Amino acid sequence: AQTVTQSQPEMSVQEAETVTLSCTYDTSESDYYLFWYKQPPSRQMILVIRQEAYKQQNATENRFSVNFQKAAKSFSLKISDSQLGDAAMYFCAYRTTSNSGYALNFGKGTSLLVTP
Amino acid sequence: NAGVTQTPKFQVLKTGQSMTLQCAQDMNHEYMSWYRQDPGMGLRLIHYSVGAGITDQGEVPNGYNVSRSTTEDFPLRLLSAAPSQTSVYFCASSLSLSNQPQHFGDGTRLSIL
Repeated sequence: AQTVTQSQPEMSVQEAETVTLSCTYDTSESDYYLFWYKQPPSRQMILVIRQEAYKQQNATENRFSVNFQKAAKSFSLKISDSQLGDAAMYFCAYRTTSNSGYALNFGKGTSLLVTP
Repeated sequence: NAGVTQTPKFQVLKTGQSMTLQCAQDMNHEYMSWYRQDPGMGLRLIHYSVGAGITDQGEVPNGYNVSRSTTEDFPLRLLSAAPSQTSVYFCASSLSLSNQPQHFGDGTRLSIL
C-alpha cells in the first residue's frame, strides 16, 4: 500500500507571504495521481490542485502551485500571496492508476495558520 | 446540482445502537466511497463501490456494512456502535477514472457515548 507523509503538523505564514507545505510518498508504481485538498473549519474537502505523475510540468492553479519531484517522491504545495481565507488543514493524497485503485491515500494533514 | 449529499450532519448514539449514514450523489458517478477522519489520522477508507451491486473493503472496514443498490446511493451502516467509531464520516464520489478528483460530501459528525 502506498503511504503519504506530511511531516509538518502545523505551519504559519503572514498574509501576502509565501508558504510551502511538504508531502512525500512511497510507491513502486510509475504512473499515479497526486492531489492537494483543503479543509477549512467548515469541514468541507475542497480540491486545490492535482498532478499526473507522467507529466513533468508542475501544476499551477492561480496562487497555488506544486513542486513535483518524481525521483525524490516529493509533492510540495506552494501558496503565494497568502490570504486569511487560506487558513485550513491541507491534505496531500495519492491515487493509483490501476482499475481498482480509485481510493485516495491521505497524509495526516498540515494545519496552516495565516496571520495578519 | 446538489453534488454529494450526506445526512445527517450530526448524530449522537449510545453504545450498541445501530444506524445508517446516508449518502447520495446526482452526478452519475460510478465510484463511491466512505472515509472516516480522526484527529491526527487524516482520512482513512472504510468501504468503496465501483458500481451498483459491487462493494469492497477499504483500510478500516470492521464494524461497518455497505450496499449499493443504485448508482446514486451508498449508505453506511453501523451495526452495533462503539465509542471507537466516534469520528467524522465523509462520503465521496467520482467517475471511475484515476485522474478524476473525488467530490466530497460535507461530512457527518458522529459521537458514540
